[in-house]
Amino acid sequence: GENVEQHPSTLSVQEGDSAVIKCTYSDSASNYFPWYKQELGKGPQLIIDIRSNVGEKKDQRIAVTLNKTAKHFSLHITETQPEDSAVYFCAASWAGGTSYGKLTFGQGTILTVHP
Amino acid sequence: EPEVTQTPSHQVTQMGQEVILRCVPISNHLYFYWYRQILGQKVEFLVSFYNNEISEKSEIFDDQFSVERPDGSNFTLKIRSTKLEDSAMYFCASSTSLGRNTEAFFGQGTRLTVV
Repeated sequence: GENVEQHPSTLSVQEGDSAVIKCTYSDSASNYFPWYKQELGKGPQLIIDIRSNVGEKKDQRIAVTLNKTAKHFSLHITETQPEDSAVYFCAASWAGGTSYGKLTFGQGTILTVHP
Repeated sequence: EPEVTQTPSHQVTQMGQEVILRCVPISNHLYFYWYRQILGQKVEFLVSFYNNEISEKSEIFDDQFSVERPDGSNFTLKIRSTKLEDSAMYFCASSTSLGRNTEAFFGQGTRLTVV
């Protein structure tokens, strides 16, 4: 089955700096890669996703890149703010056919943005 | 904004007892999921549910577990004869469809503590 590895497990940055979180996946059939943000006491919330037919996607300060050949994808947050502090999860799934959207998650990264 | 709601937020139960975790998915969603996260570990897929039947389940989801959609709004996870190792955060999620629209919305979770 699919296996997703995520690094680093913790990341501490100063406000205004960039943060990068990296994930690798094992199943070349995976074609959907969402990123979730989880704040204390809340469930994971989707912040951005990318599909395998795209190499990069950007939404304001957040961008995700995908390298299908190397089977890795990354989350980039620019101009970080204290409210970006949370746990971030990457995930992978195969979306389509008889797949029912099962997500395989990475271990999570605790991001702390210091004012 | 529509959201997935889970009750209770925290459940404490004696080992060997049965528990039912409840979820109300987003109203127009068709696909429902349960995930769990043992403290310090990855979020793990348990089961997906579509058209009133299980569509996929993980190795974790053995005969101890069952899911049900008893009416048009609730989606429940029943854990029979709970064990200490069932202690975890359980997340319910729902999505509208497969294929390109696989964004899964997560509830805030139920923390299950088995003592």
